[in-house]
Amino acid sequence: GAVVSQHPSRVICKSGTSVKIECRSLDFQATTMFWYRQFPKKSLMLMATSNEGSKATYEQGVEKDKFLINHASLTLSTLTVTSAHPEDSSFYICSARDRSSGGANYYEQYFGPGTRLTVT
Amino acid sequence: AQSVTQLDSHVSVSEGTPVLLRCNYSSSYSPSLFWYVQHPNKGLQLLLKYTSAATLVKGINGFEAEFKKSETSFHLTKPSAHMSDAAEYFCVVSDVPGYGGSQGNLIFGKGTKLSVKP
Repeated sequence: GAVVSQHPSRVICKSGTSVKIECRSLDFQATTMFWYRQFPKKSLMLMATSNEGSKATYEQGVEKDKFLINHASLTLSTLTVTSAHPEDSSFYICSARDRSSGGANYYEQYFGPGTRLTVT
Repeated sequence: AQSVTQLDSHVSVSEGTPVLLRCNYSSSYSPSLFWYVQHPNKGLQLLLKYTSAATLVKGINGFEAEFKKSETSFHLTKPSAHMSDAAEYFCVVSDVPGYGGSQGNLIFGKGTKLSVKP
C-alpha cells in the first residue's frame, strides 16, 4: 500500500517551453502533497506544499509563478515548470501524506520515484 | 528550529562488514526521525522510523537505528553490508506539528553515500 507514482519519469524539453509533471497517490487519498527538488549529489529541497482544493504554500526563494502547482483532487497534484530554462534541469520528487493514517503515522510522507527534467 | 546533520558525506565498507551511518539532530520538541535510502535515479524508500516508541528501531533489509536523546543521535547500522546496499542514505527529522509553529514537514540531512567494495 501507500504507492505514489510520477509521470513522466524523464522529460527533455526546449528552453522557453513549459512542462507538466503529475504526482498521483494510487491507493490512498492524500490530504497534502509535497514537491521537492534535488540537485546532483545534493539533498532534497522542499519547494512547496499543496493541500487539495487550496493554493500551494511555497518555500522561501521558490518562484510561484514559475513553478505552478495544482492539487485538484485527493489523488493528484501537478507541477508545471513554466518557461523552462537550463538551470531548471533537476530531479523533481513528490510525496504525499495519507489522509487515513492516524497518530504519528499521519505525518509520514510517501515518495514518488521522481522525474528527471532536462532543459536544452 | 529543527535540523539534522549527517556526519559523513561518504562511507566505504567491504561486503560482509558492519555499516555505521551517523546522524545527529536538533529539535525543540520530541521529534520523529526517519532514514530513507535512494538508489541512483530512483525515489526514496523508507528504511525505518522512530516516533517515540521503542528507542531501538528495526527496519527493512537488516538495518536498524537507535534513538539516543542524551546524544541527540540516530545512527543507522547494519551488521553485514551487501553489495545491493550501495546507495545514498538520508537522515530526516520532523517536528511535532503545531508546536512552535512547526508544520510537521520533513527536514533532510545532506545525505551519506554508501559504497560497498567486493
